[in-house]
Amino acid sequence: NAGVTQTPKFQVLKTGQSMTLQCAQDMNHEYMSWYRQDPGMGLRLIHYSVGAGITDQGEVPNGYNVSRSTTEDFPLRLLSAAPSQTSVYFCASNPLAQPYNEQFFGPGTRLTVL
Amino acid sequence: QQPVQSPQAVILREGEDAVINCSSSKALYSVHWYRQKHGEAPVFLMILLKGGEQKGHEKISASFNEKKQQSSLYLTASQLSYSGTYFCGTARGDAGNMLTFGGGTRLMVKP
Repeated sequence: NAGVTQTPKFQVLKTGQSMTLQCAQDMNHEYMSWYRQDPGMGLRLIHYSVGAGITDQGEVPNGYNVSRSTTEDFPLRLLSAAPSQTSVYFCASNPLAQPYNEQFFGPGTRLTVL
Repeated sequence: QQPVQSPQAVILREGEDAVINCSSSKALYSVHWYRQKHGEAPVFLMILLKGGEQKGHEKISASFNEKKQQSSLYLTASQLSYSGTYFCGTARGDAGNMLTFGGGTRLMVKP
């Protein structure tokens, strides 16, 4: 199993550009989520999904869109990048069978918006 | 609301013990602990549930005081590999996947 994979690893954008961060998992997990981590800070939940076709907002959803067309993939779209979105983005997944499962994190995407 | 972790940073010598605390102003269903090394993804350590059930790491222990909405992570006989930033994540309902993370505690273990 590859676990949770994210692409790209690094990305530089100009203000106003859009892009999609990719996340995929091969563990057949129902739950997937996106976090952002700013320097020296904890993780903040952006959006999450409890299964294909179902998504919901987390703590800091503004400026981001998600969709979940398959169990495996959960892309995060930045609609119009802003310098405040400079951060490291982590995707995570876990099974929903129990309400208390460890989350498996991807390696992260380091995004810089100029 | 974000849980509060203390201390923010701690430096240890190998073999010393440390305690990291996590407290919330809201009623909690579960507390999750993760460790993150510099430039890497967070890695799961422990989950503690209301009612005392635990699930996690062999060499690290933790407690969950439901009345005080606090959890403590106990690192005993620390090793160099324990260095990193420790995060607690709290869940308010049995949708334990919706975690709110604290700001982290940076732990450095020196030889």
